[in-house]
Amino acid sequence: AQSVTQLGSHVSVSEGALVLLRCNYSSSVPPYLFWYVQYPNQGLQLLLKYTTGATLVKGINGFEAEFKKSETSFHLTKPSAHMSDAAEYFCAVYGGYQKVTFGTGTKLQVIP
Amino acid sequence: SQTIHQWPATLVQPVGSPLSLECTVEGTSNPNLYWYRQAAGRGLQLLFYSVGIGQISSEVPQNLSASRPQDRQFILSSKKLLLSDSGFYLCAWSVSGVSGNTIYFGEGSWLTVV
Repeated sequence: AQSVTQLGSHVSVSEGALVLLRCNYSSSVPPYLFWYVQYPNQGLQLLLKYTTGATLVKGINGFEAEFKKSETSFHLTKPSAHMSDAAEYFCAVYGGYQKVTFGTGTKLQVIP
Repeated sequence: SQTIHQWPATLVQPVGSPLSLECTVEGTSNPNLYWYRQAAGRGLQLLFYSVGIGQISSEVPQNLSASRPQDRQFILSSKKLLLSDSGFYLCAWSVSGVSGNTIYFGEGSWLTVV
């Protein structure tokens, strides 16, 4: 079985500041990990994913995440927040059996 | 390239009425198909998933059912809607063994039960 915990349901940052969204996972098998973004009234869009290989993964819109097995974490970062980054972000883990488990989401507010 | 479409985009239904949400995927064969629900202020809840025609797995006992009459078609139904069925419904697909079973989502359907 697998699970995902996203710390902080709401995060506020100033425009231009660092964005850090936290995600911890639990998986009984080597995990595949994902971050998705959801804009209001839209479906989820894949930001980035970790499957195997390099633990630092770069995605769209300047986001990146680092897989840390020892910490069971997959935090999402962006060096400089933009107003257009305001959205809800979901971390997810695939641990087998064609099922992906999602976290409860973190709403990012960007303050001008 | 692969695309996924679901409809209708929005609907308002009275309590006790039936429901049918439809989803189709194009550009891939034998996808895994999923229905998720996103209630206001809550995360994503997996309702059903299917690994093939006629194969449906239910994750949560509820008032809903799903069917997969064709390889790339997935339907979410209810015979009698409840107020608690209101929410944002998302269809999604993936292909086993490809990119770690990455899931791709449709545009979503807003259901309001009144």
